Amino acid sequence: SQKIEQNSEALNIQEGKTATLTCNYTNYSPAYLQWYRQDPGRGPVFLLLIRENEKEKRKERLKVTFDTTLKQSLFHITASQPADSATYLCALVPPGTASKLTFGTGTRLQVTL
Amino acid sequence: KAGVTQTPRYLIKTRGQQVTLSCSPISGHRSVSWYQQTPGQGLQFLFEYFSETQRNKGNFPGRFSGRQFSNSRSEMNVSTLELGDSALYLCASSLGPQGGKNIQYFGAGTRLSVL
Repeated sequence: SQKIEQNSEALNIQEGKTATLTCNYTNYSPAYLQWYRQDPGRGPVFLLLIRENEKEKRKERLKVTFDTTLKQSLFHITASQPADSATYLCALVPPGTASKLTFGTGTRLQVTL
Repeated sequence: KAGVTQTPRYLIKTRGQQVTLSCSPISGHRSVSWYQQTPGQGLQFLFEYFSETQRNKGNFPGRFSGRQFSNSRSEMNVSTLELGDSALYLCASSLGPQGGKNIQYFGAGTRLSVL
């Protein structure tokens, strides 16, 4: 069956360092992979999207990589700040025009001073 | 543009009751999806509506149902509530297939507690 795995344990890093979050999947061939941020008591907010034929995507301090051979995406936040503390979710979008997203369980990031 | 609006924000029900949750999508968005979020299972897809038709469905029992109106607003209904239905229910809207991207814009959710 399809499976998406994100680190269930919280990631604690110091302000200014680069945070790297992992999203692994099995039995899946996504057309797109998306990353969302979720703060407590709020719905997820879309951050970045990467296509299956793209290796890397950047947006300001954010960088996403997508390796369809390893079936893995890495999400990097450079120069991290306490305001980056949140839960980050990856979501896979299968091919097709009527596609439903499958979300990972998310990784909680805590950035400390 | 106003974001996705979900009402109510909080709801307390007892086992066996039924509940209806409401979602108003972003203006111009024709697709509305519903998700259940729990600490143990994460964010699970319930169903998606596009132009008043259910286009996709997740693996939930028939007690979970939904509908979409001509103005794209959507409602979700859960009948015969069980304790395990306690969760955050999130609604998300999108423009539609968008060539497959299907970027979701989420509301703040309805926190349902079943006692």
